[in-house]
Amino acid sequence: GQQLNQSPQSMFIQEGEDVSMNCTSSSIFNTWLWYKQDPGEGPVLLIALYKAGELTSNGRLTAQFGITRKDSFLNISASIPSDVGIYFCAGQETSGSRLTFGEGTQLTVNP
Amino acid sequence: KAGVTQTPRYLIKTRGQQVTLSCSPISGHRSVSWYQQTPGQGLQFLFEYFSETQRNKGNFPGRFSGRQFSNSRSEMNVSTLELGDSALYLCASSRAGDQPQHFGDGTRLSIL
Repeated sequence: GQQLNQSPQSMFIQEGEDVSMNCTSSSIFNTWLWYKQDPGEGPVLLIALYKAGELTSNGRLTAQFGITRKDSFLNISASIPSDVGIYFCAGQETSGSRLTFGEGTQLTVNP
Repeated sequence: KAGVTQTPRYLIKTRGQQVTLSCSPISGHRSVSWYQQTPGQGLQFLFEYFSETQRNKGNFPGRFSGRQFSNSRSEMNVSTLELGDSALYLCASSRAGDQPQHFGDGTRLSIL
């Protein structure tokens, strides 16, 4: 099935560093969402973006909806060990609820 | 506020059997979507139900089916199980289809 191109696939960083990941698509989306998934759990919603160009923050997390509506990025500032997990981007089209997911970014934070 | 509840959390079946998974959405949420998560294919959309009607369907064979009850609870059924059906099945709910979806912790299905 169709998936978004999410990069990087994995990141190994030191505690306190900033992190950036992004997603690109050949399709236009009306909504971009970012989720985090911990082992043995379902994805947890971090940020939802609804307008092209929108920049939204949630604590140390900042995400932007690309102007072309075909991309989005997520930044995490001053990373901490509990940021470890897999981060997924997801795009939602106009015609209903179907989410198209990226492949995920595995984040490892070394204390 | 209770989140999305999926039961059972783990299930082991053999090829050829069928299975039913259950999902209770967040109170007030009328849309329920199902996704399959595997290491190879990632998260793939199965179908969405709203007010007891299937509104959207992904690219999965007819062995995968679902339904929604009047209280918005949903069930997903897989018949004639195959080894490749081993996956984490996730349910997500939202107030309406275009609102942010919140996920349960999934049912881990293993096929022997």
